Amino acid sequence: QKEVEQNSGPLSVPEGAIASLNCTYSDRVSQSFFWYRQYSGKSPELIMSIYSNGDKEDGRFTAQLNKASQYVSLLIRDSQPSDSATYLCAVGDGTSYGKLTFGQGTILTVHP
Amino acid sequence: DVKVTQSSRYLVKRTGEKVFLECVQDMDHENMFWYRQDPGLGLRLIYFSYDVKMKEKGDIPEGYSVSREKKERFSLILESASTNQTSMYLCASSWRRGTDTQYFGPGTRLTVL
Repeated sequence: QKEVEQNSGPLSVPEGAIASLNCTYSDRVSQSFFWYRQYSGKSPELIMSIYSNGDKEDGRFTAQLNKASQYVSLLIRDSQPSDSATYLCAVGDGTSYGKLTFGQGTILTVHP
Repeated sequence: DVKVTQSSRYLVKRTGEKVFLECVQDMDHENMFWYRQDPGLGLRLIYFSYDVKMKEKGDIPEGYSVSREKKERFSLILESASTNQTSMYLCASSWRRGTDTQYFGPGTRLTVL
């Protein structure tokens, strides 16, 4: 059974701080990794995808991948109250079916 | 922009009813997926389809069936709805290539009384 574990949360940070979200996965052959954001009552929306070891930056978001440690993280710089949401880590199975295994999610609250 | 639509945002049904949830995508995606999301249990895959008329069971297929007669449309069927099928149902789609990015519809919140 493939597993994806996220830091349990909930996570609370002050506005302007860096929020750090972490995820580990069990399947060593995984090749694609995703972070989705889900607001309460809404569906998940893609924030970042990452496929290679290292960092990938997009605006205030940075995804970090370490395949040797089977670890992927998301950093949110200059956190804003609008970043308050549940963040889902997802790991691809590497097949053409494109199946993803999702973590349980981490609830992030950014307080003014 | 990728667009995935679902037939209803909210649905209330009675125990034993046959329920149809429909999903349509407009990006010519090969892969389509049905999930349910419950508090504390996360997103769980019910069924997926990688081509017209092709389907595969996910992690929790019991009590559900699916239909994909056209590439853009993927239907989830609850043959005889039960109260434990009260949940948020999410449809997603993706291209058939290694990137796997899935795009989600708005979800259907189903309540079975």
